Amino acid sequence: GENVEQHPSTLSVQEGDSAVIKCTYSDSASNYFPWYKQELGKRPQLIIDIRSNVGEKKDQRIAVTLNKTAKHFSLHITETQPEDSAVYFCAPKSPSGGYQKVTFGTGTKLQVIP
Amino acid sequence: NAGVMQNPRHLVRRRGQEARLRCSPMKGHSHVYWYRQLPEEGLKFMVYLQKENIIDESGMPKERFSAEFPKEGPSILRIQQVVRGDSAAYFCASSPLSTGQGFDGYTFGSGTRLTVV
Repeated sequence: GENVEQHPSTLSVQEGDSAVIKCTYSDSASNYFPWYKQELGKRPQLIIDIRSNVGEKKDQRIAVTLNKTAKHFSLHITETQPEDSAVYFCAPKSPSGGYQKVTFGTGTKLQVIP
Repeated sequence: NAGVMQNPRHLVRRRGQEARLRCSPMKGHSHVYWYRQLPEEGLKFMVYLQKENIIDESGMPKERFSAEFPKEGPSILRIQQVVRGDSAAYFCASSPLSTGQGFDGYTFGSGTRLTVV
C-alpha cells in the first residue's frame, strides 16, 4: 500500500509569517493530491487539491505545489492568521485493488501565535 | 442538501456493550468510507462500502467490527463487546462514484465520538 509521511509533525509560526508542510508519498501512480484542515473537535475539510498534470495551484493565501518526480507535494500558507491553527492532513489517492484508494498522512499540527 | 449525516454525535458505552454508529451519505451518493481517528492521531481507513456491498475492509479489525450499507437506510458501523481501546472518533465520508471516476475529494460527516468506560 501507499506510504504517506508528513513533515513537520508540529509547526509554530508567528502571525503573519508563512508556513510550509510537506507530504511525501510512495506510489508513483498517485494522481490526486489534496490537503485537509481539521480544527479541534471538528471534521476534516478539504481546503485545496491538485491533480497530477498540474505543478502548482493557488487559492488566496494557500497554495499547493507538486513534484511528481520526487513524489512529494507541499501546502503553503502565507500571512498566517490565528484561525489557521489546526491539524493539516495530506491524502494522496492511488490505484489499489481496483479502485482509487485514499491514504491520509499522519498530520501536522500548526499553531499560529498572535 | 444536508451533507453527510452521522449519529449519534457522542456515544458512551460500558466495556462489553455494543456500539452502533450510523452514517447517512449525501443525497445521490452510493459510496461510503469509514475512518477511525484515535486521540491526537491521524485518520485510519477502515472500510469502503457501496450499496449492499463491501468493497474494501482491509482496515477493519477482524473481530468485533462489522459494517453494512443496506439498499435502504444508512450505513452502520457496528462494534461488539467494546473495549477501552475502541474509544475514538469515527468519521464517514460519501461519494457519488468510486474515487477515480470523476470524484476526488471527500466530504466528511461530523463524526461520532465513542467513549468506552
